[in-house]
Amino acid sequence: LAKTTQPVSMDSYEGQEVNITCSHNNIATNDYITWYQQFPSQGPRFIIQGYKTKVTNEVASLFIPADRKSSTLSLPRVSLSDTAVYYCLVGPLPNDYKLSFGAGTTVTVRA
Amino acid sequence: NAGVTQTPKFRILKIGQSMTLQCTQDMNHNYMYWYRQDPGMGLKLIYYSVGAGITDKGEVPNGYNVSRSTTEDFPLRLELAAPSQTSVYFCASSETGTGGRSYNSPLHFGNGTRLTVT
Repeated sequence: LAKTTQPVSMDSYEGQEVNITCSHNNIATNDYITWYQQFPSQGPRFIIQGYKTKVTNEVASLFIPADRKSSTLSLPRVSLSDTAVYYCLVGPLPNDYKLSFGAGTTVTVRA
Repeated sequence: NAGVTQTPKFRILKIGQSMTLQCTQDMNHNYMYWYRQDPGMGLKLIYYSVGAGITDKGEVPNGYNVSRSTTEDFPLRLELAAPSQTSVYFCASSETGTGGRSYNSPLHFGNGTRLTVT
C-alpha cells in the first residue's frame, strides 16, 4: 500500500481557502486517492475521491497532477466548522481494502 | 436509514474483564471493519470482514476477536482487557467494488465507543 505524507497541522482564518497537500510517491496504477474529515468525538467522514486530474463536489476540490505522486485537497472559504482532522488515503479497489489511517492534518480555522 | 450504529458509547473495564463492542449497519454493505484510535493518532485497522462468515486480521489484531454471522452485524470481542486497549473504537462499512464500478468504495463510520481499561 502506498505510504502517504501530509502536514501535521495547518492554521487558517474564516473565509480563506485551505490547501492540504499529500505526498504519495509510490502510488500504484490502480490506486485511488481518498480524503476523509474527522471532527472530535466522531468517526471520519468521506469527503472526496479521485484518480487523476481534478474532482470537485459541494464540499471540496481534489487536484491530482499527471504523475499522481501527490494530491491537494482544497477547501474553499473555510468556516469555524471546518476545524477538523483531514486524512489522505491511497489504496486500490475494495478487494484489497486494508487501509489504516495516518495521523492526518489538523486544520484549525480561527475567526 | 441509521447507517453504522455502535454500542455502547462509553465503557470502563477493569483489567482482565471481557466485553463485546457491538456494531450494526443497515446499508447492506458486504465489507465491515474495526479500527482503534489512540489519542492524537490516526486509526489503525484491527479486523475486517468481506462478507458473512469471512474475517481477517488487520494491522493490530492481538487481544481481539471478531465474528460475522450476518451481513448487518460485526461484533468485536475483547478478552482479558489490558490498559493498552484503552482507546476509541470505530466500526465502519463499505460497498464492494463489483457491478462494473471502478471506484474505491468510501467507508461509512459509526460514532465510536470510548473504552477505558483501569
